[in-house]
Amino acid sequence: EAEVAQSPRYKITEKSQAVAFWCDPISGHATLYWYRQILGQGPELLVQFQDESVVDDSQLPKDRFSAERLKGVDSTLKIQPAELGDSAMYLCASSFRTGSDEQFFGPGTRLTVL
Amino acid sequence: DAKTTQPTSMDCAEGRAANLPCNHSTISGNEYVYWYRQIHSQGPQYIIHGLKNNETNEMASLIITEDRKSSTLILPHATLRDTAVYYCIVKFNTDKLIFGTGTRLQVFP
Repeated sequence: EAEVAQSPRYKITEKSQAVAFWCDPISGHATLYWYRQILGQGPELLVQFQDESVVDDSQLPKDRFSAERLKGVDSTLKIQPAELGDSAMYLCASSFRTGSDEQFFGPGTRLTVL
Repeated sequence: DAKTTQPTSMDCAEGRAANLPCNHSTISGNEYVYWYRQIHSQGPQYIIHGLKNNETNEMASLIITEDRKSSTLILPHATLRDTAVYYCIVKFNTDKLIFGTGTRLQVFP
């Protein structure tokens, strides 16, 4: 069964360092999402791509976060510089298209900032 | 702001039906009710969704009241692997998912 792949699964970094997360969506899925989940809370959408274009980045802290999906397939989420409050689970999801009934989530990357 | 209200936690005996309620009294006519669950240390997983009619799939059943102000997700024969956080989400089909804090379901032997 096709799955969303994410790497790394775990990342420990020191504050002020740069970190990057990678996501490979299910083949053929045009829409890709990055979520952040703080412990004890539900996931929060950071950015949504339709193919290579950003369609929603209203909750992305643009002073330190960036996301790209250059060829409309895999995607990278970067944080520079990392802050203590960025410690969270970063989840990637994909769907066949915007408005699809089901989003498929990857296993996530757990980031710890020291 | 979350449009739904769910109990913080529930328990269920293995093999029994788990009935998870969700209140969405401000739902509008074209908004759907979606359910996702998140097993510990995994990403959320889609379960089911519906508009007005009751829905059933291989995972669960969704019962929506006639006035659509509340719904119940039913896991007919809960297993230990159903222990998870269950999220009820109300949205238009083109809208993004907005997760609340969900219901933590503990299935015990």
